[in-house]
Amino acid sequence: GQQLNQSPQSMFIQEGEDVSMNCTSSSIFNTWLWYKQDPGEGPVLLIALYKAGELTSNGRLTAQFGITRKDSFLNISASIPSDVGIYFCAGRNAGNMLTFGGGTRLMVKP
Amino acid sequence: DVKVTQSSRYLVKRTGEKVFLECVQDMDHENMFWYRQDPGLGLRLIYFSYDVKMKEKGDIPEGYSVSREKKERFSLILESASTNQTSMYLCASRGLETGGAGGYTFGSGTRLTVV
Repeated sequence: GQQLNQSPQSMFIQEGEDVSMNCTSSSIFNTWLWYKQDPGEGPVLLIALYKAGELTSNGRLTAQFGITRKDSFLNISASIPSDVGIYFCAGRNAGNMLTFGGGTRLMVKP
Repeated sequence: DVKVTQSSRYLVKRTGEKVFLECVQDMDHENMFWYRQDPGLGLRLIYFSYDVKMKEKGDIPEGYSVSREKKERFSLILESASTNQTSMYLCASRGLETGGAGGYTFGSGTRLTVV
């Protein structure tokens, strides 16, 4: 199947720092999504992006749909301890199926 | 809110056992999915179903089968469990009416250990 390359695989940062992670693909997607998985839970949708070039914010989170439609990034500003978890990017193709990245494990040091 | 319930949070099974993982959703969603989550590999699609008694293979169906006898329930079956099937299994559902890409709702996962 299609592959999404998500980086970094893990990050250990100080509380208050900004965080940036990204996903790249060899294929074009119609939609990019970012999910967060808290420990012991299933992933929950954070942000959905529907158009190339789109920049969308959700509180301290900002995500962009790359203009080539093959990449996306997620930024978290002023991280707090509850930001801990695994962040997944996902791309949706014309067949309406999602392909997930490998995840970025975020650890925040108070 | 849609709720997707996976019957077990943790399971330990022996090699060769037949294992059933159950998933139930309460919003009359047409589409249901089973994913496997492994560190660094993200979520990989095992099987999905777009209606009762319908099933489609995902990216890694080998060693698994599924059953969808009722709309709300989607079962993942490991016919003969092996140690390389030790993983976190996530069920998800999506309704056709949601349309938007954010329509996937995930269960809390079942962590399966095969010994």
